[in-house]
Amino acid sequence: EAGVTQSPTHLIKTRGQQATLRCSPISGHTSVYWYQQALGLGLQFLLWYDEGEERNRGNFPPRFSGRQFPNYSSELNVNALELEDSALYLCASSLIGQASYGYTFGSGTRLTVV
Amino acid sequence: GQQLNQSPQSMFIQEGEDVSMNCTSSSIFNTWLWYKQDPGEGPVLLIALYKAGELTSNGRLTAQFGITRKDSFLNISASIPSDVGIYFCAGQEGGADGLTFGKGTHLIIQP
Repeated sequence: EAGVTQSPTHLIKTRGQQATLRCSPISGHTSVYWYQQALGLGLQFLLWYDEGEERNRGNFPPRFSGRQFPNYSSELNVNALELEDSALYLCASSLIGQASYGYTFGSGTRLTVV
Repeated sequence: GQQLNQSPQSMFIQEGEDVSMNCTSSSIFNTWLWYKQDPGEGPVLLIALYKAGELTSNGRLTAQFGITRKDSFLNISASIPSDVGIYFCAGQEGGADGLTFGKGTHLIIQP
């Protein structure tokens, strides 16, 4: 069974540009979660999507947005990039209502803003 | 939202030593989970706990769901170099849809 896949693995952007990160959940998982992990720090919750709807949002500005497609894959968009947006962006998936079994994480996209 | 207090923030140990870390919350949790993150990778689930007082092992790792349901502990016995990484606790409050994560414990093994 394929795990959670994220693309690209690395992304370098210039300040002010936009970045698009992609995530494919485990087959059968309908919930997708996005986290930001700045270097050496903890996991900061960004967004949660399920069945195409945004279910919850962390304390991030509106320039962080995303969507979930009918096949449950998801995109995270970051507009007007700032240097402090440089981080590892992790996507995770689970079955709806099954968070207690844990999330399965992808390997992340390393975003570098220069 | 709910915060999980995970400690210690980092640990510097010698190979072969035992390791203990813990996570506490101000409210009752129904589920406790422990994850490990290797450098450059996503976190991987190590152990899941669902019952107060439950003690579960996975190889050299043992985790416990605290009796008060407000804490959990992870122990690693006889550490080896591949134990290096960041360990995260996570929990689910009653009635909550998602998980809350701790800030992580960095485990560093000195040669």
